[in-house]
Amino acid sequence: GAVVSQHPSRVICKSGTSVKIECRSLDFQATTMFWYRQFPKKSLMLMATSNEGSKATYEQGVEKDKFLINHASLTLSTLTVTSAHPEDSSFYICSARGGAASPLHFGNGTRLTVT
Amino acid sequence: AQKVTQAQTEISVVEKEDVTLDCVYETRDTTYYLFWYKQPPSGELVFLIRRNSFDEQNEISGRYSWNFQKSTSSFNFTITASQVVDSAVYFCALLNYGGSQGNLIFGKGTKLSVKP
Repeated sequence: GAVVSQHPSRVICKSGTSVKIECRSLDFQATTMFWYRQFPKKSLMLMATSNEGSKATYEQGVEKDKFLINHASLTLSTLTVTSAHPEDSSFYICSARGGAASPLHFGNGTRLTVT
Repeated sequence: AQKVTQAQTEISVVEKEDVTLDCVYETRDTTYYLFWYKQPPSGELVFLIRRNSFDEQNEISGRYSWNFQKSTSSFNFTITASQVVDSAVYFCALLNYGGSQGNLIFGKGTKLSVKP
């Protein structure tokens, strides 16, 4: 079946540094990818929608300059957390689908810890 | 307003018991999809089922079954003869097609603990 690979699974970084998270669709072309953030004991919150070749659409309250999203190809989207703060520590999950009627497939998530 | 409510925050059962996870949704759209995902302790989300708004047939897959009732805006998930490996957080989600691409709206999840 369709597989979405997310890398890295865990990352620890220092405050002020940037970290990049990759989301790849392995056996299908993902026209749309979504980035979610999961706070402890809370649901997944959509951060942004990424379409290949165009700018991402961010949800209200999500800082565009802090969470940079690039969807350069039909199989790869990246989320870069810039100038990371301890408050950015969270679990980030990407998802991808081939078309509007296709089910979403999720990556395994990235546990980000900012010290 | 579009919303998914999973009223049960945590459920604990003993192995072999049946358990039903509730999901109630709100949407103004006539075309939408409903999903269930499983999130085991390792964190990844596992797709379980997708149901479109025009198909109210109940579905059974092994020990899993789903009951979709548009009249009550519910999409409940039942695990029969639960096993320890079923322990996870289960999310119900709604996907609307009101916009050009739709966003997946999650409920807050129900944490299921199955004890031996």
